[in-house]
Amino acid sequence: AQSVTQLGSHVSVSEGALVLLRCNYSSSVPPYLFWYVQYPNQGLQLLLKYTSAATLVKGINGFEAEFKKSETSFHLTKPSAHMSDAAEYFCAVSDRNQFYFGTGTSLTVIP
Amino acid sequence: DTGVSQDPRHKITKRGQNVTFRCDPISEHNRLYWYRQTLGQGPEFLTYFQNEAQLEKSRLLSDRFSAERPKGSFSTLEIQRTEQGDSAMYLCASSPRQGAGDGYTFGSGTRLTVV
Repeated sequence: AQSVTQLGSHVSVSEGALVLLRCNYSSSVPPYLFWYVQYPNQGLQLLLKYTSAATLVKGINGFEAEFKKSETSFHLTKPSAHMSDAAEYFCAVSDRNQFYFGTGTSLTVIP
Repeated sequence: DTGVSQDPRHKITKRGQNVTFRCDPISEHNRLYWYRQTLGQGPEFLTYFQNEAQLEKSRLLSDRFSAERPKGSFSTLEIQRTEQGDSAMYLCASSPRQGAGDGYTFGSGTRLTVV
């Protein structure tokens, strides 16, 4: 069975501070892992994906994530938060036919 | 092609009424997916099509829900006898082939409110 757990439903950071959004996965097979961002009343936009290549994955808008098999984690980071990063972030695992999403983390950026 | 299109963007309906949503995928994508997202939750898989064939349905897809993709292009999702619990964002996505989520593109969704 595939699932992801996102720790922290709400995260607040100051503008310019490090962003760290946590995701742990459970998968019976080598996972395909993703981070998506969702702005209010919008669909999901892909930030980055891990598909068994490099363990450090770089995405759009300065985000990156590191796949750590020993910790079953795929945490999302960004060195310096920008006001435009305020949104809902979802971690997901794919079994090739569908995605299994976490419950999301709402990121607030404080000016 | 500008991506996955969903219509309408918003729908308010009275309990007990039927509603139908439409999704137009990216034209060269042969896979189409429907998800439901309730407030404060991540999207949950409902069903997917490969061309016109509906290959998998979630237990979330009760008998009141039906999805079609008659010519392997656009898809419709119909909810009969709507209930307040059906209020959610309904997201459509498409992809070019089976794979590790490659090329998986979401639409902007249809937000359904049942009053």
